Amino acid sequence: QAQLVQSGAEVKQPGASVQVSCQASGYTFSNYGLVWVRQAPGQGLECMGWISVFNGNTNYARKFQGRVTLTTDTSTRSGYMELRSLRSDDTAVYYCALMTTVTTSFDHWGQGTLVTVSS
Amino acid sequence: EIELTQSPGTLSLSPGERATLSCRASQSVSSRFLAWYQQKPGQAPRLLMYSTSIRATGIPDRFSGSGSGTDFTLTISRLEPEDFAVYYCQQYGTFGGGTKVEIK
Repeated sequence: QAQLVQSGAEVKQPGASVQVSCQASGYTFSNYGLVWVRQAPGQGLECMGWISVFNGNTNYARKFQGRVTLTTDTSTRSGYMELRSLRSDDTAVYYCALMTTVTTSFDHWGQGTLVTVSS
Repeated sequence: EIELTQSPGTLSLSPGERATLSCRASQSVSSRFLAWYQQKPGQAPRLLMYSTSIRATGIPDRFSGSGSGTDFTLTISRLEPEDFAVYYCQQYGTFGGGTKVEIK
């Protein structure tokens, strides 16, 4: 059974950067893409972008282009999301999920990582 | 960029009743890429349906999906207590705004 375990909560100051990690187990790592989705308090789901574990290709949502970087490390079966120039409205729970490329559905999700941006 | 509009925003129903949730796309989308998720408070979303009408592993058959083009529907035939949650449709990198199914 696929499982994704994310790193712990973070508190950052405005203007800083944050990196969230996502450790995968229970499946062939390169068979899926990794997508990152965030959810601000009381709000809906917002897709930030995804990365192909197979070839490293990325696709970023227009809103986040230039401010987010997605990477993977196949040796540790991990994915990483770095968000720079943090603002207070970046306060949210950040999720990683496995994306099935054939249907682009997000099949398995991490538990979420709360990132709080506050001075 | 495609937008997904879900309606209603909130659905107030009693256990045992039928729930019908709508997801409308701003332009025609392939049914292959339309999925539905359930999210309960404090939990990560869970995949319910993919490719419009295929139930994900472990999803009970009271959940069904249908639609094509710009109009898609998630139906819960008889609401169980554990079904009261927020539901999202998704196509590629776009989510709908969600429908909250609450206990009447």
